[in-house]
Amino acid sequence: SYELTQPPSVSVSPGQTARITCSGDTLSKKYVYWYQQKSGQAPVLVIYEDSKRPSGIPETFSGSSSGTMATLTISGAQVEDEADYYCYSTDTSANHVFGGGTKLTVL
Amino acid sequence: QVQLVQSGTEVKKPGASVKVSCKASGYTFTSYTMHWVRQAPGQTLEWMGWINAANDNTKYSQKFQGRVTFTSDTSVSTAYMELSSLTYEDTAMYYCARSQPSLPFDCWGQGTLVTVSS
Repeated sequence: SYELTQPPSVSVSPGQTARITCSGDTLSKKYVYWYQQKSGQAPVLVIYEDSKRPSGIPETFSGSSSGTMATLTISGAQVEDEADYYCYSTDTSANHVFGGGTKLTVL
Repeated sequence: QVQLVQSGTEVKKPGASVKVSCKASGYTFTSYTMHWVRQAPGQTLEWMGWINAANDNTKYSQKFQGRVTFTSDTSVSTAYMELSSLTYEDTAMYYCARSQPSLPFDCWGQGTLVTVSS
């Protein structure tokens, strides 16, 4: 079955830039989406179609994709950005897949 | 505002079935597909499938095919997920999330905790 691979954890100091990667065989042909999930809460869409921000999402969140790897970048990360982040895409059979998730620590 | 409100916590015995509801408000219910996603404790998100309330078309993840059923009632803007033959491994938070092609899962329910315990 199709898989999206993320690092289990990323740690940065406040004000630094955090980068979270997501790799998958079909990412060169399919869009990637990113979701933020804070502890005890439902996920929130923060990036869609590789690099677009939904309304209400700060400009500090950005996304990019090249080849089989996508990256979520959080510029000037703050303590309130601490969360689990999940990438999501579809495979060529229209199955919907989430990555394993990355725990972002800001301290 | 757009809102998805799910039914409350469920505790079920192994072998039983559970039915979770998801009531939509603030938008046209039939203009979006409704997906179901679950998350076991400490684990990643797992997509289960979707229903198109406009025509009752469904697609199920192969993992749950034959054990899960999605339905909807447009008169009350509510989607339902029923999972049968529960095992301990089905203990998870179950979410509904609306989708459109360019904005998948742009709004989520608050989640329904299903615990399978003898």
